[in-house]
Amino acid sequence: EAGVAQSPRYKIIEKRQSVAFWCNPISGHATLYWYQQILGQGPKLLIQFQNNGVVDDSQLPKDRFSAERLKGVDSTLKIQPAKLEDSAVYLCASSASGGPETQYFGPGTRLLVL
Amino acid sequence: GENVEQHPSTLSVQEGDSAVIKCTYSDSASNYFPWYKQELGKRPQLIIDIRSNVGEKKDQRIAVTLNKTAKHFSLHITETQPEDSAVYFCAASIGNQFYFGTGTSLTVIP
Repeated sequence: EAGVAQSPRYKIIEKRQSVAFWCNPISGHATLYWYQQILGQGPKLLIQFQNNGVVDDSQLPKDRFSAERLKGVDSTLKIQPAKLEDSAVYLCASSASGGPETQYFGPGTRLLVL
Repeated sequence: GENVEQHPSTLSVQEGDSAVIKCTYSDSASNYFPWYKQELGKRPQLIIDIRSNVGEKKDQRIAVTLNKTAKHFSLHITETQPEDSAVYFCAASIGNQFYFGTGTSLTVIP
């Protein structure tokens, strides 16, 4: 079974620029999560989708972050404009529906904002 | 919402000794408790999990215990090896929503 795929793996941008991350979850997994992991900390949930609907986006900085999962499969996370404090690893995870279910993480995208 | 606290933040043990990491949670509705191991620069990997209807689960050198009354759960690693060195995260789940602890950096000294 293929795992969660993410791209790009690394991204370096200057502050005020825009960036987008892509995630392809495990086939058949209805739930998709985007986490932000700052160095030395645990993953912090940004947004959770169930199919193509948003379950929880309470910690998403909506003035600069947006995410979509239009067809209930792949998802993109965008930051526009980026700030220095957005430097982190952005992890995508997925789980099957019907909870509680194990979630599986992708390799992450390491973002550095200069 | 759920609040998960994890202790200690760093832990050093001699190879062959045991390591114990503890987590507490606040919401009694949490019913699934996974533990993840994250090596430097890599993704979190599930190493063991426990559901709320079970008090203890074991997988070779790794065990997890759950005390629902006290709302705490612990990870036990016996006969530690240098390759166990990593950051370990606990999590508590309500439905499909996960809340993570702040992590424990474990160092196994050869």
